[in-house]
Amino acid sequence: EIVMTQSPATLSVSPGERATLSCRASQSVSSKLAWYQQKSGQAPRLLIYGASTRATGIPARFSGSGSGTDFTLTISSLQSDDFAVYYCQQYNGWPLYTFGQGTKLEI
Amino acid sequence: EVQLLESGGGLVQPGGSLRLSCAASGFTFSNFAIYWVRQTPDKGLEWVSAISATGGTTYYADSVQGRFTISRDNSQSTVSLQMNSLKNDDTALYYCAAKAPGNNPFDHWGQGALVTVSS
Repeated sequence: EIVMTQSPATLSVSPGERATLSCRASQSVSSKLAWYQQKSGQAPRLLIYGASTRATGIPARFSGSGSGTDFTLTISSLQSDDFAVYYCQQYNGWPLYTFGQGTKLEI
Repeated sequence: EVQLLESGGGLVQPGGSLRLSCAASGFTFSNFAIYWVRQTPDKGLEWVSAISATGGTTYYADSVQGRFTISRDNSQSTVSLQMNSLKNDDTALYYCAAKAPGNNPFDHWGQGALVTVSS
């Protein structure tokens, strides 16, 4: 099983600043990496897939990068609506799609 | 509008059974594989079971193998998860999620059904 490790566990950032979240896979997942946003009381929402492609309706301030084992989600100019928990997920090999443990983005 | 709606959650004693259902609408259900993913504060998001678009292939996490059974009815756009021999560790919020054909992430998620296993 591919283990996904996210860092940091919690990130404190001020509105308007940039946030950088990291995700590392225990083995290469090529570009089969997704990022999800989860707000309190809601289901996860797909933000990024293919490591860098924004899902439908996702603002351009969200960007993803990386390939292989190291990935980054960057949120430029944070807005109040962006404070949530972010999860990475590898999907390189149906059906064993594994998630990271999440990064909580707080004000 | 794409919608996945889970039902059937509740409180059950250890060793008991529960059946979760997921009703889909707003997309071509028969083209999508469906997962059950559970979430707990301790373990985060964990995939539990998956079923292919046709229903011909099913998968289970080791933690539920032999106790849970996934099935689908494409004519009704529904997926079910029969959970037997429930343990305290099965307590979680259970989501159904839909995945497009191929190696793709989960495009759509339901709002979750809470399962609590406790005496």
